[in-house]
Amino acid sequence: DGGITQSPKYLFRKEGQNVTLSCEQNLNHDAMYWYRQDPGQGLRLIYYSQIVNDFQKGDIAEGYSVSREKKESFPLTVTSAQKNPTAFYLCASSVGHPETQYFGPGTRLLVL
Amino acid sequence: GIQVEQSPPDLILQEGANSTLRCNFSDSVNNLQWFHQNPWGQLINLFYIPSGTKQNGRLSATTVATERYSLLYISSSQTTDSGVYFCAVYRRGSQGNLIFGKGTKLSVKP
Repeated sequence: DGGITQSPKYLFRKEGQNVTLSCEQNLNHDAMYWYRQDPGQGLRLIYYSQIVNDFQKGDIAEGYSVSREKKESFPLTVTSAQKNPTAFYLCASSVGHPETQYFGPGTRLLVL
Repeated sequence: GIQVEQSPPDLILQEGANSTLRCNFSDSVNNLQWFHQNPWGQLINLFYIPSGTKQNGRLSATTVATERYSLLYISSSQTTDSGVYFCAVYRRGSQGNLIFGKGTKLSVKP
């Protein structure tokens, strides 16, 4: 089955800890994206990557980091510098730009 | 930056009713997408619609780019239509920046 997978479904972070959210796609899409959703709000772009080994900051990149070493994978690290990390994180991919973006099921991050 | 406003913010319907959701945007855009977010958080593509009208079953969408709005029509609503509907636009000249509205929360009662 082609699609986008995100893991874990739920993630708990302790104060001062870095955590990494996984996003994998087998759609052979070039572009991948990370969004953050807060309750009652729309999605906001954190980072995006249009090709392997290249990525750009979105509107709210502070406190986050990414890598794109493989076409299929675009992990997001929430660093200790992100002071309000509790949110729903969604990964997306698209075959080009601007093309339809397809979303994974999301990861809910909670702070202990 | 570009503003995307959706209305109404909340909508409650009886099963079988029709509805129209609106999306206004403040600047020229490259494209526009409508999404449905189900109660589990999954975002599902509904339409990719830069202009004109598209239909898919009970759903249809119309975008008038020159007047900076898009409409999503839901006919004969079902309880499974419940969730949040988002409009998102690509800012003209952007490199992947999809700007989302705050959504319309739809509840369809049996």
